[in-house]
Amino acid sequence: NAGVTQTPKFRVLKTGQSMTLLCAQDMNHEYMYWYRQDPGMGLRLIHYSVGEGTTAKGEVPDGYNVSRLKKQNFLLGLESAAPSQTSVYFCASSYSLAGQSPFFGPGTRLTVL
Amino acid sequence: GENVEQHPSTLSVQEGDSAVIKCTYSDSASNYFPWYKQELGKRPQLIIDIRSNVGEKKDQRIAVTLNKTAKHFSLHITETQPEDSAVYFCAARTNGQNFVFGPGTRLSVLP
Repeated sequence: NAGVTQTPKFRVLKTGQSMTLLCAQDMNHEYMYWYRQDPGMGLRLIHYSVGEGTTAKGEVPDGYNVSRLKKQNFLLGLESAAPSQTSVYFCASSYSLAGQSPFFGPGTRLTVL
Repeated sequence: GENVEQHPSTLSVQEGDSAVIKCTYSDSASNYFPWYKQELGKRPQLIIDIRSNVGEKKDQRIAVTLNKTAKHFSLHITETQPEDSAVYFCAARTNGQNFVFGPGTRLSVLP
């Protein structure tokens, strides 16, 4: 099993460009999450999904969109990238049962110039 | 919504000493509290967790305690080793089924 994979690993964008980050999991998890990690600010939740076809906003959703068309995939989109979106993005997934912690992907380092 | 605070932000200990990291949460409905370790350039990895119906849990050199009344929980690492050096994050699972993380503690174990 690959666990949680993220594509791409690194990306550099210019301000105003768009891109999509792909997260895939093969653990049959119901829940999936997108976090961003910035120095000194921990992991902040952008959007999450509790099942195929559902999404919900997290703590810092502005400037991002998500889709969960298939249970195993969770896509994070940036429509018009801004330098403030320079960060490391982590996808995670978990079972829906109480007491099940998120399992994280390897991360995507995004730089917006 | 839930807010998780974590202290200290940095912690240096001598090899063999103990380290304690404390977190507080605001939502009394939060019911599950995992701890993660993140080494430089790597993904966060679960090291221990505790549910709200348990006061303490231990796994070899690592333990976690939970005080539901005061809404705080702590990570205890005994007999620290250089490989314990990393950033540690606490988290709380909210009623809304998502996880809110603390800002992290950078632990340095000095040989």
